[in-house]
Amino acid sequence: GAGVSQSPSNKVTEKGKDVELRCDPISGHTALYWYRQSLGQGLEFLIYFQGNSAPDKSGLPSDRFSAERTGGSVSTLTIQRTQQEDSAVYLCASSLGEGLARAETQYFGPGTRLLVL
Amino acid sequence: ILNVEQSPQSLHVQEGDSTNFTCSFPSSNFYALHWYRWETAKSPEALFVMTLNGDEKKKGRISATLNTKEGYSYLYIKGSQPEDSATYLCASSRDDKIIFGKGTRLHILP
Repeated sequence: GAGVSQSPSNKVTEKGKDVELRCDPISGHTALYWYRQSLGQGLEFLIYFQGNSAPDKSGLPSDRFSAERTGGSVSTLTIQRTQQEDSAVYLCASSLGEGLARAETQYFGPGTRLLVL
Repeated sequence: ILNVEQSPQSLHVQEGDSTNFTCSFPSSNFYALHWYRWETAKSPEALFVMTLNGDEKKKGRISATLNTKEGYSYLYIKGSQPEDSATYLCASSRDDKIIFGKGTRLHILP
């Protein structure tokens, strides 16, 4: 069956430009997560969507970062005025979203490798 | 411990040898402990999720144990093979949040 997909797989941009990263979760999964992994660091939580509830944005590092999830499915992570420190692998994951969603197994996409020059 | 710590950071193991590594996590308000395997150029793949103190899970040559009272989990790989080369991530779920460690990077030497 189809897993989590992300696009683009790689993105090179210039400092100051805006970028949009897309995530298509597994069909039927109501929970969706964005993470990033900077060089030498662990997976850093960014934002979490669960059904129709207000998203948990507590991990977003600055107001240049935003995300939305339309129709409870596809999600877009937007980074405005990119900086070199935004260079990282951005991973999306989804889970069924039953009960304590963040205790569930998460299914990850292949990631988007962002390089800000 | 407030963060999830994994050790060692990197490990080189001869093919055929067995190995293990550690994940330490906050023991308070614990809900679940996850292990993931992340191979280069692929997505992280779930290995185990454990919730009960003393839990042991096994998948082929890989197994894991859990001690929730002292806040640690071990991952064991028996008879390492080249395909075991990957980064092994653990993650702790508590207070409805999930926190990942930085991973243990395992290299299997032929």
